[in-house]
Amino acid sequence: SQQGEEDPQALSIQEGENATMNCSYKTSINNLQWYRQNSGRGLVHLILIRSNEREKHSGRLRVTLDTSKKSSSLLITASRAADTASYFCANFEFMEYGNKLVFGAGTILRVKS
Amino acid sequence: EAGVAQSPRYKIIEKRQSVAFWCNPISGHATLYWYQQILGQGPKLLIQFQNNGVVDDSQLPKDRFSAERLKGVDSTLKIQPAKLEDSAVYLCASSTTERGFYYNSPLHFGNGTRLTVT
Repeated sequence: SQQGEEDPQALSIQEGENATMNCSYKTSINNLQWYRQNSGRGLVHLILIRSNEREKHSGRLRVTLDTSKKSSSLLITASRAADTASYFCANFEFMEYGNKLVFGAGTILRVKS
Repeated sequence: EAGVAQSPRYKIIEKRQSVAFWCNPISGHATLYWYQQILGQGPKLLIQFQNNGVVDDSQLPKDRFSAERLKGVDSTLKIQPAKLEDSAVYLCASSTTERGFYYNSPLHFGNGTRLTVT
C-alpha cells in the first residue's frame, strides 16, 4: 500500500486566517476521509467524501476531491487556536485480501492567537 | 456512547522484553483495527479484524507481534521480544458498517498506548 503524501508538512497561521492542506495518493482514490489529532490523543474523524463527490462542507471545513489527479484538499476557514492539531487524510485501498484505510503523513497546523 | 478504551496509557520496557496492549471497542462495532504511529508519521495499519476474523495483517511483523480478538469484542496486541524501533504509539480503532460496507464508515480511535523501548 502507498502512504498518502500531504503538504505542507507544517503550517503556521494567525487566528482568523484560512488554512489549506493537500493530500495525494499514487493509487486510485476511493472514499477519502480526513482526521484531526490533538497532541497526545487519538484521531478524530472530521469528514468523509465519496469518490463520486467533488466537494463537501461541514461547518468551517470544506473538502474537495479530484479523482483524476488522485488528490484532495481540506480548507479550514476562520481558524481558531483550538484548530491547532495534526490533520491526516486517509484513503480506502481495495486489496485482494481485504480493504484497508491508508493514512497520509499528516500536516501539523499551528494557529496563533 | 462510550468511546474506544485502551490500556495502559504509557509503557516503558527494555528491549527484548514483552508487552501487551488491550483494547475495548465501541459496543456493536464489528471492525477493529490496530495502528502503529511512529513520532511524526501517519498511522500504519498493523492488523484489521472483522468480528473475530483477520481481514488484513500484511504489515504485522509476525515474528514478534501477535494479536487476537476473542469473541469478536476485546482485543490484545502483544510484542515479544520488543526492539528499539517498536517505540511508537499504538492506536486501536473500531468502526461499524454502512449498508454492509465498512469502508463508508468513519473510524473511532482510542487515545493510544505510548510505548518506549529502551
